[in-house]
Amino acid sequence: QTVVTQEPSLTVSPGGTVTLTCASSTGAVTSGYYPNWFQQKPGQAPRALIYSTSNKHSWTPARFSGSLLGGKAALTLSGVQPEDEAEYYCLLYYGGVGVFGGGTKLTVL
Amino acid sequence: EVQLVESGGGLVKPGGSLRLSCAASGFTFSNAWMTWVRQAPGKGLEWVGRIKSKTDGGTTDYAAPVKDRFTMSRDDSKNTLYLQMNSLKTEDTAVYYCVKYDYWGQGTLVTVSS
Repeated sequence: QTVVTQEPSLTVSPGGTVTLTCASSTGAVTSGYYPNWFQQKPGQAPRALIYSTSNKHSWTPARFSGSLLGGKAALTLSGVQPEDEAEYYCLLYYGGVGVFGGGTKLTVL
Repeated sequence: EVQLVESGGGLVKPGGSLRLSCAASGFTFSNAWMTWVRQAPGKGLEWVGRIKSKTDGGTTDYAAPVKDRFTMSRDDSKNTLYLQMNSLKTEDTAVYYCVKYDYWGQGTLVTVSS
């Protein structure tokens, strides 16, 4: 069974920079896994942030960026704002079947 | 404005069946690949399945835990996505979201309990 692994929790100061990662149990993550990133705040439906590794949606703030880093998919937040405190999920595709990571709870403190 | 409105959730006994619907508007539904994602109470997101547009073959893919029990379908004339869920288990209890890769519905709660 394929497992996608994210950091369970991270803490960042307002204005700081933080990188969340997404690893695959099958090996290095490449663009062929079409990494997606989503943000979810308590009591809300998730919101799409990044698709196909690094592409932003029209509503994605400029401070969010996606990339591949050291064999993992990565989501970097630069100039973190208090409203960025949320759960972040990555999604990878394996031959058409999607698998979410367990999520990273980002605390802005 | 894109809208995805799920319906059909509720309480069902183990072994029972339920059909969820997702009414779509604000985009060309027939061109969209649509996905169902679920979230058990207090847990993370779980990808359930995806259906391609008919022009791309209309084929479906499912996650292992629901394969052979759940079936996705679409009615492009009604701009509606469906999820037929059979042989339901307690572990299928979750909020089910209808997703168009960039937009999410608000979800419908399915509770499987005796």
